Amino acid sequence: NAGVTQTPKFQVLKTGQSMTLQCAQDMNHEYMSWYRQDPGMGLRLIHYSVGAGITDQGEVPNGYNVSRSTTEDFPLRLLSAAPSQTSVYFCASSYSGVGDTQYFGPGTRLTVL
Amino acid sequence: LAKTTQPISMDSYEGQEVNITCSHNNIATNDYITWYQQFPSQGPRFIIQGYKTKVTNEVASLFIPADRKSSTLSLPRVSLSDTAVYYCLVGGVGTGTASKLTFGTGTRLQVTL
Repeated sequence: NAGVTQTPKFQVLKTGQSMTLQCAQDMNHEYMSWYRQDPGMGLRLIHYSVGAGITDQGEVPNGYNVSRSTTEDFPLRLLSAAPSQTSVYFCASSYSGVGDTQYFGPGTRLTVL
Repeated sequence: LAKTTQPISMDSYEGQEVNITCSHNNIATNDYITWYQQFPSQGPRFIIQGYKTKVTNEVASLFIPADRKSSTLSLPRVSLSDTAVYYCLVGGVGTGTASKLTFGTGTRLQVTL
C-alpha cells in the first residue's frame, strides 16, 4: 500500500513552459485535492475532485488545469509556467472530503525561472 | 468553511505539556475539528479529530468546550521531534460538499532542551 505518491519530487522550469505534476493514490479514495505551499505559508487549495470525472476550483486555480479520468490519478497541469508558481505542491486524498482524514503525498518542489 | 485563528508560534521545553488553542467562532453544526502536523519538506499528517468534549489518542488530546467555538490541542511531554507546524481545520465529515479546506498559516511549535 503506497498511499499517495507524487512525481517528480523536484522540477525546474523556464517561464512559459508547461508540465504535468502526477499524483496517484491506491486507497480507493473518492476525494483528491491539489495544494500549493509557499515558503512560511499554509497550504492553499488549487483544485479538487469529488470523484472520477468531477473537478472544481479551489482558492487559487488560475494557471492550473486538472482532470480526473480514474479514481486513482489526479494530475495537475501547469499551462504556461510563471515565476509566481514557484512553490511546493502537495496532493491529498480522502475517503469523503472535507473533515475526513486527508492523506498527503510527499510533495513536488517546483522552481520556475 | 469556518475560519480558524491560531497563534503564529509557540516555544516549549522538552518534557513539558503544550496546549495550542484554535478559535473557530462560526463553526457549523455538522463541522468537525481536525488537527494536522507538518514537518519541514513533508506533507501534513493527521493527528486527531473531534466533534465535542474530549478526544484522546496515542499522541494527543483534543478538548472542545460545549459552545465549540474553540478547541485546544494538547501534546503531553513534548520532545524535540514534536517541533513542527500544527494546523487546525474545521469542516463537515462526509458532507459531499466542496473540499474547500483552508489550512491557514498554522502554529509553529519549537521545542528545545
